[in-house]
Amino acid sequence: EDQVTQSPEALRLQEGESSSLNCSYTVSGLRGLFWYRQDPGKGPEFLFTLYSAGEEKEKERLKATLTKKESFLHITAPKPEDSATYLCAVPLSYNTDKLIFGTGTRLQVFP
Amino acid sequence: EAQVTQNPRYLITVTGKKLTVTCSQNMNHEYMSWYRQDPGLGLRQIYYSMNVEVTDKGDVPEGYKVSRKEKRNFPLILESPSPNQTSLYFCASRREGSYEQFFGPGTRLTVL
Repeated sequence: EDQVTQSPEALRLQEGESSSLNCSYTVSGLRGLFWYRQDPGKGPEFLFTLYSAGEEKEKERLKATLTKKESFLHITAPKPEDSATYLCAVPLSYNTDKLIFGTGTRLQVFP
Repeated sequence: EAQVTQNPRYLITVTGKKLTVTCSQNMNHEYMSWYRQDPGLGLRQIYYSMNVEVTDKGDVPEGYKVSRKEKRNFPLILESPSPNQTSLYFCASRREGSYEQFFGPGTRLTVL
């Protein structure tokens, strides 16, 4: 069964305390993996697309990496404004627009 | 401003009373989708459309209908809403060739 699992469910960090979020997937043939950020009461906001194992993308304090079985979102020296829920998603096929989302990691960064 | 808009943003209704949630995008995107988001279950795709008059089921299509008569609009129709359709609904769009989806602000639906 196609599945996307994120861990941990919730993460509390002190400002400046670096950490990583995990997204593992079981789909037949990876066609890309996406990371989104979602603030409370708002729609998800696109962060990164990763297409192949070994690929890395960076944006400010965030760095996303991809292996054959999982992706990591590394947060370096986080700030309170990085507090949000981070979602990953995987497409099921090239010929459709079916996407599976993980349930997300809720990150709280305290000053 | 490039955006996806949804209306209404909040809706409280009763079981069985037909309703429509509208979604419109101004980016000329080919692909549009509807999702529902529930605590512990995350975002689940209801329906998607790859272009005008082309729609297909996502993971949880039961109890919902969609139509795509114009490229910019993708309404979600609940013919006979039930309490288990109480949820937060998001519409999203993307252009062909890019997987970057743009999400609307969400519609919080309560069915009593």
